[in-house]
Amino acid sequence: GAVVSQHPSRVICKSGTSVKIECRSLDFQATTMFWYRQFPKQSLMLMATSNEGSKATYEQGVEKDKFLINHASLTLSTLTVTSAHPEDSSFYICSAGTGSNYGYTFGSGTRLTVV
Amino acid sequence: RKEVEQDPGPFNVPEGATVAFNCTYSNSASQSFFWYRQDCRKEPKLLMSVYSSGNEDGRFTAQLNRASQYISLLIRDSKLSDSATYLCVVNPEGTYKYIFGTGTRLKVLA
Repeated sequence: GAVVSQHPSRVICKSGTSVKIECRSLDFQATTMFWYRQFPKQSLMLMATSNEGSKATYEQGVEKDKFLINHASLTLSTLTVTSAHPEDSSFYICSAGTGSNYGYTFGSGTRLTVV
Repeated sequence: RKEVEQDPGPFNVPEGATVAFNCTYSNSASQSFFWYRQDCRKEPKLLMSVYSSGNEDGRFTAQLNRASQYISLLIRDSKLSDSATYLCVVNPEGTYKYIFGTGTRLKVLA
């Protein structure tokens, strides 16, 4: 089955610094990957859709200059949280798949804590 | 009205019990439906897709009611390991997006 690897699993950073999160599809090519954020006891919220070779599509209310997405190859998408603040602390998860009828596979998630 | 609504629970049931969750969705044109399972502080994992004719996978049965716009998940003979949050996911027609419910928390008690 489709395997999605996400790294790092946990990161603690200082306020004002930037953090990069990687999402890789290990055994398939993903022209599209998705980035979600989940706050405690809340549902996953789609932040943006990452498109290989083109600009990401951001959901309403998500700052594209703060959450930089790069999808330079068919197997790698990165999310960079720039100038992180404590309110950015959350669980960030990527997903990718071979088709919506089969469901998308999620990465293991990155727990970001900004201090 | 939320696009996907679930009762957050928690549902506390004894081992061996049968438990059912419902999920309602607002977009009548939605085409794909899924149940995902999420353990605490982990990523969601696909439990099963939901087909129009209903489908069963071992102790789990999923059903779709398009007229009333809801999907259901039935778990028979609950195990302690079934304790988790169950997420209802809807994929509106013509989009690639997944819309998640807030999840229903299940606790199976010994």
